[in-house]
Amino acid sequence: AQKITQTQPGMFVQEKEAVTLDCTYDTSDPSYGLFWYKQPSSGEMIFLIYQGSYDQQNATEGRYSLNFQKARKSANLVISASQLGDSAMYFCAMREDAGNNRKLIWGLGTSLAVNP
Amino acid sequence: GAGVSQSPSNKVTEKGKDVELRCDPISGHTALYWYRQSLGQGLEFLIYFQGNSAPDKSGLPSDRFSAERTGGSVSTLTIQRTQQEDSAVYLCASSHNYNEQFFGPGTRLTVL
Repeated sequence: AQKITQTQPGMFVQEKEAVTLDCTYDTSDPSYGLFWYKQPSSGEMIFLIYQGSYDQQNATEGRYSLNFQKARKSANLVISASQLGDSAMYFCAMREDAGNNRKLIWGLGTSLAVNP
Repeated sequence: GAGVSQSPSNKVTEKGKDVELRCDPISGHTALYWYRQSLGQGLEFLIYFQGNSAPDKSGLPSDRFSAERTGGSVSTLTIQRTQQEDSAVYLCASSHNYNEQFFGPGTRLTVL
């Protein structure tokens, strides 16, 4: 079974509008971390935001916020006030903490296009 | 400061040849990770180093793949007897707090 599911292969948003990119995860580990990364066409992987499973509040970093719904096992990324430079692939990833695991498990990504 | 660097940026090789990919992590980062990204796919974990030891090699796809890290710094991923299915972008990342992983630009490997 997929551990990280991103159901939107592609998304379009108008510049200056907000957009939500979906991510659901599957784990039985009570301690885990959730990550979002951006990969522009240039190829580099850029860290955006992190949410720990025990964090009480949703993570925010500038225009990025993570809508963490633990009971639903969802960790959607919200980008406010979209900019043309936000056009990229966006990947959701999870780290399960059992056994001092450190690797990230990745979704297949969502391609976001911001229209002027 | 300098970010994670990888070399070469591109490598074209013939099937059956061996290749070595190099990763230079951010200074002071004790954790180092190798991932592989095939065209249009997410990342696939290969191996993780803590210092010079590799507590998790579970992602290495076959015994043709090996990696080492020396001096708690530079790491080399070696692929022996390359196959066409090894063609991918190989990404290295390093971290100091097990949360944010900083990625290098990757090595694009093409096996003809």
